[in-house]
Amino acid sequence: AQSVTQLDSQVPVFEEAPVELRCNYSSSVSVYLFWYVQYPNQGLQLLLKYLSGSTLVKGINGFEAEFNKSQTSFHLRKPSVHISDTAEYFCAVSRFGNEKLTFGTGTRLTIIP
Amino acid sequence: DVKVTQSSRYLVKRTGEKVFLECVQDMDHENMFWYRQDPGLGLRLIYFSYDVKMKEKGDIPEGYSVSREKKERFSLILESASTNQTSMYLCASSPGEAASEQYFGPGTRLTVT
Repeated sequence: AQSVTQLDSQVPVFEEAPVELRCNYSSSVSVYLFWYVQYPNQGLQLLLKYLSGSTLVKGINGFEAEFNKSQTSFHLRKPSVHISDTAEYFCAVSRFGNEKLTFGTGTRLTIIP
Repeated sequence: DVKVTQSSRYLVKRTGEKVFLECVQDMDHENMFWYRQDPGLGLRLIYFSYDVKMKEKGDIPEGYSVSREKKERFSLILESASTNQTSMYLCASSPGEAASEQYFGPGTRLTVT
């Protein structure tokens, strides 16, 4: 079985500063990796995903993530955050050929004006 | 525009009541999912359906059942609600392909008193 660890439950960041949200996974087989975002009082929506190929993946709203197989990590980054990025961010993993996702516990990103 | 709707945003029920949570998607998706979301625990899969009348248990199926009589509709049933089922419930759907995006509804916050 696979699992996902998001070590930071809350991350406060000043507006226009860079941010990195950390995600580590464990799996005995190859996986797909995802980042979803949940804005206040809404469902989740996909930010980006890694399937194969280039290890740097670009998503919506200026976010990007880098897949590092040796460190089993998939950290999410943004060079300059805005107030509108205030949300909870979830990392998720699925096994090759499987539609089910395993989610991490989430990281709440708070932007300080 | 893709859409997943859930029958209620907020629901209050008494212990022992039978509770139905309804989810409808308009994207002709094969897969539908029910998750519960709790602070510090992230999203956990309750049940997954990959076709009409087909279902598979997720990570926490105890105390829940599901029904999928039509492709667009997926119901979650709490046979006898208990206080430890107080939670946010999220429905999602996706096409029948591995690594495809899951589309989420806005969630139902259920309180069992």
